[in-house]
Amino acid sequence: EAQVTQNPRYLITVTGKKLTVTCSQNMNHEYMSWYRQDPGLGLRQIYYSMNVEVTDKGDVPEGYKVSRKEKRNFPLILESPSPNQTSLYFCASAAVDNSPLHFGNGTRLTVT
Amino acid sequence: AQSVTQPDIHITVSEGASLELRCNYSYGATPYLFWYVQSPGQGLQLLLKYFSGDTLVQGIKGFEAEFKRSQSSFNLRKPSVHWSDAAEYFCAVGAYNAGKSTFGDGTTLTVKP
Repeated sequence: EAQVTQNPRYLITVTGKKLTVTCSQNMNHEYMSWYRQDPGLGLRQIYYSMNVEVTDKGDVPEGYKVSRKEKRNFPLILESPSPNQTSLYFCASAAVDNSPLHFGNGTRLTVT
Repeated sequence: AQSVTQPDIHITVSEGASLELRCNYSYGATPYLFWYVQSPGQGLQLLLKYFSGDTLVQGIKGFEAEFKRSQSSFNLRKPSVHWSDAAEYFCAVGAYNAGKSTFGDGTTLTVKP
């Protein structure tokens, strides 16, 4: 089954404790992207990747890192999480950057 | 900079009634336009897309949308709403080889029995 898999689904952590949210797709998509969803703000793009080893900032990249060493994986790294990063995070992939996005089921992160 | 505006935060319609969700975009180049639907606790699912050609596009679940360049709009419509259509709807804009995609703030649809 074609899918985008994010883990974990729920994560509660404390300020400053590094964490990684994993994202994997099995559709051989070139394009992958991370979004955060906050009430009343829709989805805001954090980082995206047009292909392996090619990443770029979205609209809200501060406090986040990403890497794209393999085509299927695009982890989101929070080196020092802060409470304002409490949010619902979505990973998405597409065949190419302007193709329709396939979304994971989301990761709800709480930073205390 | 590209932007998407969904003027209606929340819409309530009766089951069987028609529906129109508004979307206005701002983009310098030729846009690629999308509508996605999000059910509670789920990721987003594509309803339909517009790249070029016929300005009236058909999607899944009986939805359609019309691209109007002169009005910078891409409104979503459905002739008869079902209770299962209750969800949050997002309009999005992108462009070829641009990488960035921009979503509207979403419209929450409530369906009354």
